[in-house]
Amino acid sequence: EAGVVQSPRYKIIEKKQPVAFWCNPISGHNTLYWYRQNLGQGPELLIRYENEEAVDDSQLPKDRFSAERLKGVDSTLKIQPAELGDSAVYLCASSRRPVEETQYFGPGTRLLVL
Amino acid sequence: GDSVTQMEGPVTLSEEAFLTINCTYTATGYPSLFWYVQYPGEGLQLLLKATKADDKGSNKGFEATYRKETTSFHLEKGSVQVSDSAVYFCALSINTDKLIFGTGTRLQVFP
Repeated sequence: EAGVVQSPRYKIIEKKQPVAFWCNPISGHNTLYWYRQNLGQGPELLIRYENEEAVDDSQLPKDRFSAERLKGVDSTLKIQPAELGDSAVYLCASSRRPVEETQYFGPGTRLLVL
Repeated sequence: GDSVTQMEGPVTLSEEAFLTINCTYTATGYPSLFWYVQYPGEGLQLLLKATKADDKGSNKGFEATYRKETTSFHLEKGSVQVSDSAVYFCALSINTDKLIFGTGTRLQVFP
């Protein structure tokens, strides 16, 4: 079974530029999560999707961050414009709720904003 | 709010030494508890989990017991290997909505 796929793996941009991250979850997983992991910290949830519906986006900075999950499969997370403080690793995870609560993580996208 | 506290690293051990990484939690509900591991250059992987009090999760020689009375979920391994070098994250989940992670503990094992 293929794991969670994310791209790109690395991205370097200048501040105020836009950036987008893509995630393809494990086949059959209806729940998709985006987490942000700052250096030396544990991941923190940004948004959770159940199929195509965003059911928890309370931690998403909506002034500059947006996300979508068209057709309830792939998802894209966007930042526009990026700020220096957005430098972090952005992790995508998926699970097969409510059957199984275990979340499976992708390798992440490491973002550096200069 | 709900939170996880784990011991700071790095933890440095010689091969075959005994490992303990402490983890305690605060939760308003009745959480499930997890240990995830992040090997260099790789994504987070589930190492083990426990969903109710006194449950013991185990995998690859690692064990952790859900202790409700002490709100703890300490990770242990009897004999570490160089290949166990990684960052270990303790986490909790309530109602499977999201994972709340600790800050991670880096383990370095030397031959």
